[in-house]
Amino acid sequence: SQQGEEDPQALSIQEGENATMNCSYKTSINNLQWYRQNSGRGLVHLILIRSNEREKHSGRLRVTLDTSKKSSSLLITASRAADTASYFCATDGGSGGSNYKLTFGKGTLLTVNP
Amino acid sequence: EPEVTQTPSHQVTQMGQEVILRCVPISNHLYFYWYRQILGQKVEFLVSFYNNEISEKSEIFDDQFSVERPDGSNFTLKIRSTKLEDSAMYFCASRDRVSKNIQYFGAGTRLSVL
Repeated sequence: SQQGEEDPQALSIQEGENATMNCSYKTSINNLQWYRQNSGRGLVHLILIRSNEREKHSGRLRVTLDTSKKSSSLLITASRAADTASYFCATDGGSGGSNYKLTFGKGTLLTVNP
Repeated sequence: EPEVTQTPSHQVTQMGQEVILRCVPISNHLYFYWYRQILGQKVEFLVSFYNNEISEKSEIFDDQFSVERPDGSNFTLKIRSTKLEDSAMYFCASRDRVSKNIQYFGAGTRLSVL
């Protein structure tokens, strides 16, 4: 089993629609983050939610965290073609020590059609 | 805006050759990381580095791998004798002391081992 599994693996929507991606994880965490990766590029941090938080907003992004279910969701509202990218959840902490390595999921490929 | 820079963007090498991947983290950051992403797969942690020493390494980071911070700005990953399976995108990341583990990633180096 793997830490940080996103679903769906791929999501195709029309511009203006909302996109929801889910992430599940296995071990206890300190924080859960979402990163975005444009094709062939590096990872860009989007939003971080702490283990004691349930919901976080940043612009058109809304993240929820349910530690009892070890799951998180990322909602992108009013999507734009420029939101087309892969989205990864990443977890850190728990019993992993203080160096805070990130454990990534496999990602959701979001395609927003104009 | 400060960013992590990685060079080269693409490195082609023959199997068995040594390669050095270079990274310049953000200047006031103290924690440094290398991750890799094999094509189509998830981003995997390799090693973390703090206070001039390795703080954690993964199973992938075997004796063929080493990291160094030769001066105050560069952070390098060396692979002594490359294998075909080392072909991947290698990402450098850094973070400061207080950012709740928000890691800033470079654009990556694509390593192709022939």
